[in-house]
Amino acid sequence: DAGVTQSPTHLIKTRGQQVTLRCSPKSGHDTVSWYQQALGQGPQFIFQYYEEEERQRGNFPDRFSGHQFPNYSSELNVNALLLGDSALYLCASSSTGGAWGDEQFFGPGTRLTVL
Amino acid sequence: EDQVTQSPEALRLQEGESSSLNCSYTVSGLRGLFWYRQDPGKGPEFLFTLYSAGEEKEKERLKATLTKKESFLHITAPKPEDSATYLCAVRETGANNLFFGTGTRLTVIP
Repeated sequence: DAGVTQSPTHLIKTRGQQVTLRCSPKSGHDTVSWYQQALGQGPQFIFQYYEEEERQRGNFPDRFSGHQFPNYSSELNVNALLLGDSALYLCASSSTGGAWGDEQFFGPGTRLTVL
Repeated sequence: EDQVTQSPEALRLQEGESSSLNCSYTVSGLRGLFWYRQDPGKGPEFLFTLYSAGEEKEKERLKATLTKKESFLHITAPKPEDSATYLCAVRETGANNLFFGTGTRLTVIP
């Protein structure tokens, strides 16, 4: 059973550029959450997608946007990149209303470096 | 506003030297408290979910406990492979996100 997968593994961009990160959830999961983790910090919640809609959003500017596809996979888009956007971006999958419980399972992350 | 404070920030143990990690939390209503292990450059690995005060869960050398204000992760006779950052997170009632602490970086010396 494949767990949560993310692509790409690493990415280097320059200020002002745009980036798209991708996530496939664990088999049986229908909900995807995105987190940003700066070095030495805990993950910070960006937003969550369920039924192809943004269900909840954290304290991030609207430069951060997302999408969920009918197969439950998801994308995170960041526009007008800033140096401070350099971080590990984590995708977590879970099941809403199912028998799987509340656990969120994380992917390996995408390391984004903005120069 | 949710708050999660983990202590200590870093902990060095000799192999076999048992200890505990602390997670203090403030939340209006607790839906669940979660423990994760994270290796450098990797995503967090799920360990435990605790829902109510008095609950305990065990997995190999790890045992997690919960009170109304804090959770402890007890590590019994740790091995070098237990070296990692341990993250605590809370989920508030009615919310869908996890709110994380900054973690405890554990190093176990052979």
